[in-house]
Amino acid sequence: ETGVTQSPTHLIKTRGQQVTLRCSSQSGHNTVSWYQQALGQGPQFIFQYYREEENGRGNFPPRFSGLQFPNYSSELNVNALELDDSALYLCASSLKSGGTDTQYFGPGTRLTVL
Amino acid sequence: EDQVTQSPEALRLQEGESSSLNCSYTVSGLRGLFWYRQDPGKGPEFLFTLYSAGEEKEKERLKATLTKKESFLHITAPKPEDSATYLCAVNRGSTLGRLYFGRGTQLTVWP
Repeated sequence: ETGVTQSPTHLIKTRGQQVTLRCSSQSGHNTVSWYQQALGQGPQFIFQYYREEENGRGNFPPRFSGLQFPNYSSELNVNALELDDSALYLCASSLKSGGTDTQYFGPGTRLTVL
Repeated sequence: EDQVTQSPEALRLQEGESSSLNCSYTVSGLRGLFWYRQDPGKGPEFLFTLYSAGEEKEKERLKATLTKKESFLHITAPKPEDSATYLCAVNRGSTLGRLYFGRGTQLTVWP
């Protein structure tokens, strides 16, 4: 059990629509990262938030945006959905414990764009 | 450009047949190398973090090692429940968070 939850589990949208995905992590995990994983690929970094501020961004267009809240929850928003946005979206919270870095992933949200 | 390459893409083993998965990387300022296990349709499950060449970590039938250019995940006497995709990722710089992943090795262990 990672303590990272995501909702919804899966959803279906059509091209041009907007979607919001949600993530909740454990208390004290100040850093949350979002990844996109296409079928058969490794996860690709979208962006990271640290204490409610964006703290790094991968090669994704501005229609991918995010928010992090004081209660350790966060959102990923995608506008103007495209067919290629169909993927598993993962959030991960980071923790350093006992000298070891650990990044815990949630179960993911499967997004299908028709 | 940072790169992570995993091989083989797929591996089929008979139960009890030990083998190794490879992860080669080119990254400046490596902070850590991570191994994850991922079951179909689920999020990656953390296995190990390695920091420096020569380091080794073990968990049940899995043992991860690290050199300056690659990491190996050794699987000893695998069981069917070890079937999954194994992902390797690297983290660089001063911030824990952004991981660069390989495409994974899909392992199938048959009875």
